[in-house]
Amino acid sequence: GENVEQHPSTLSVQEGDSAVIKCTYSDSASNYFPWYKQELGKRPQLIIDIRSNVGEKKDQRIAVTLNKTAKHFSLHITETQPEDSAVYFCAVKSRDSGAGSYQLTFGKGTKLSVIP
Amino acid sequence: DGGITQSPKYLFRKEGQNVTLSCEQNLNHDAMYWYRQDPGQGLRLIYYSQIVNDFQKGDIAEGYSVSREKKESFPLTVTSAQKNPTAFYLCASSLRGSGANVLTFGAGSRLTVL
Repeated sequence: GENVEQHPSTLSVQEGDSAVIKCTYSDSASNYFPWYKQELGKRPQLIIDIRSNVGEKKDQRIAVTLNKTAKHFSLHITETQPEDSAVYFCAVKSRDSGAGSYQLTFGKGTKLSVIP
Repeated sequence: DGGITQSPKYLFRKEGQNVTLSCEQNLNHDAMYWYRQDPGQGLRLIYYSQIVNDFQKGDIAEGYSVSREKKESFPLTVTSAQKNPTAFYLCASSLRGSGANVLTFGAGSRLTVL
């Protein structure tokens, strides 16, 4: 199955600085790469996603870049704010060849702390 | 509450007992999923279902069972065969297909085995 590695596991930045989280994946046929944010005690929520036919996508202070050749993608948060503090999960959508269906495989998460 | 409801929020179980976690959605999503969340382990897929009366094992299905008799419902049973069941369980749903499928998560159920 798909193998997703996420780094770093924890990240502390000063308010206003940028944060970068990276993920690598193993299945070159994977075609969809979302990022989820989980605030303490809350459910994960999608913050940005990218498809395999796009190299970069931005939404205000967050952006995702994808390098299909190297099989890695990254989340970039600029001008960080205390409310960005949360656990961030990358995910990769790939085909379960045995069942003929698609599923998301998640990374282990990055705990981001933004220090005021 | 986001269109997907999990119950109960907290559950305590004695060793050797089976327990069933409920997941109901009103989003008209075809696909539903169960994930287990442990500290430092991310979200690991237990079972998923793309259509009624059909489901597939995820990465950590041993000791769990599911059913999908209705589109809206995907209950998870944690059996006594699950060696370490204490965890936070998240249910999710999405549209079906090979494209960009956004997962909508429930609020989760925290199971503690005493």
